[in-house]
Amino acid sequence: EVQLVESGGGLVRPGGSLRLSCAASGFTVNGNYMSWVRQAPGKGLDWVSIIRNGDSTNYADSVKGRFTISRDSSKNMVYLQMNSLRDDDTAIYYCARVGSRRGNLYFAYWGQGSRVTVSS
Amino acid sequence: DIQMTQSPSSLSASVGDRVTITCRASQNIDIFLNWYRQKQGRAPQLLIYSVSSLQSGAPSRFTGRGSGTEFTLTISSLQPEDFATYFCQQSYMMPLTFGGGTTVEMK
Repeated sequence: EVQLVESGGGLVRPGGSLRLSCAASGFTVNGNYMSWVRQAPGKGLDWVSIIRNGDSTNYADSVKGRFTISRDSSKNMVYLQMNSLRDDDTAIYYCARVGSRRGNLYFAYWGQGSRVTVSS
Repeated sequence: DIQMTQSPSSLSASVGDRVTITCRASQNIDIFLNWYRQKQGRAPQLLIYSVSSLQSGAPSRFTGRGSGTEFTLTISSLQPEDFATYFCQQSYMMPLTFGGGTTVEMK
């Protein structure tokens, strides 16, 4: 059974850093595209980042240069390092396993989310 | 960036109703269109990928159609667990973008 469990969220001051972790089970992160999607309170879904096979990455413009996605195959984990956090980064952050069909990318499995609050 | 616009933003319906939600893309996205359902307080779940392919485990009452810039998600007979928010998402071009959501409420 595919499972994704996020951790590492919490309250952080503006300008601070936080690292989110995503523990995967039931599949290997190394053989899959993995992604982070966030949802601000009462708002819609906002894609953050993706890591592909071969470790190439993409980021939303709003986080580029501040966030870094990575994975550790030995631990079957995915991470999101978040630096220079701003108030508008406040959201629930979901880890997702990405499916692919003829180039179409979709978020096939989701974790339960980790809440990040940026506030002074 | 490709803008995804959903309509309506909310609707009221009853159990057993047929419900259709529309998603429009700001440019041609071929069939790179996916649908999700998010129940209150829960993570989203994939329903449909590549416009019309039903995700394993998703109920068959969900049907997706469309191509190019206009797409629809239809629920043939609304069930109690379908009172939720629905999102479309495109992957034709980075950044991946979502529609603003359609909330289906109980009438």
